[in-house]
Amino acid sequence: QVQLQESGPGLVKPSETLSLTCGVSGYSISSGYYWGWIRQPPGKGLEWIGSMYHSGGSYYKPSLKSRVTISLDMSKNQFSLRLSSVTATDTAVYYCARQDDIAGAPTYFDYWGQGTLVIVS
Amino acid sequence: DIQMTQSPSTLSASVGDRVTITCRASQRIDSWLAWYQQKPGKAPKPLMYKASNLKSGVPSRFSGSGSGTEFTLTISSLQPDDFATYYCQQYNSYPYSFGQGTKLDIK
Repeated sequence: QVQLQESGPGLVKPSETLSLTCGVSGYSISSGYYWGWIRQPPGKGLEWIGSMYHSGGSYYKPSLKSRVTISLDMSKNQFSLRLSSVTATDTAVYYCARQDDIAGAPTYFDYWGQGTLVIVS
Repeated sequence: DIQMTQSPSTLSASVGDRVTITCRASQRIDSWLAWYQQKPGKAPKPLMYKASNLKSGVPSRFSGSGSGTEFTLTISSLQPDDFATYYCQQYNSYPYSFGQGTKLDIK
């Protein structure tokens, strides 16, 4: 069974960089799929942040692209999110997820972590 | 960018009811649509993919239909476990986008 687990600071100061890691068990991230991040501000809907393919290549939401980096660490079977220059509007529950693909094109998110709340204050 | 709009935003229903949630895309997305269920404090759970394909393990009372710009998620006979918020997501093109959600609560 594929399992994902987010980890990282729950509190980040404005203008600093938010860094989260997603540990994956039950599947080797080097074997396939996209690995992505989605966030959800308190009481609001879901927002896709970005995804990275197992063999390289990434997609980021255009409005966040200048501040976001997603990277894969095959040796630790985990992937990471860095979001720079954060403000209060970046306060949200951050989810990591596996994104299925069809012939290399991203599709839906089939496995999710439990989410971690990050407050910018 | 493709905008996804769900209706209604809130739906009140009773156990045993048949309910339908609609998701409209601002551009044609063929059948590249997924549905998720989210309960408070939990991660979204995928229900459907490619508009009408039921994810393994999801009860058969859930069904999806549609293509192009209009899609529906139907629950044939509501069970107590179904009261949650439902989201659609398009994956026809980047950037991938979600609907704003439909909260299904108990009447």
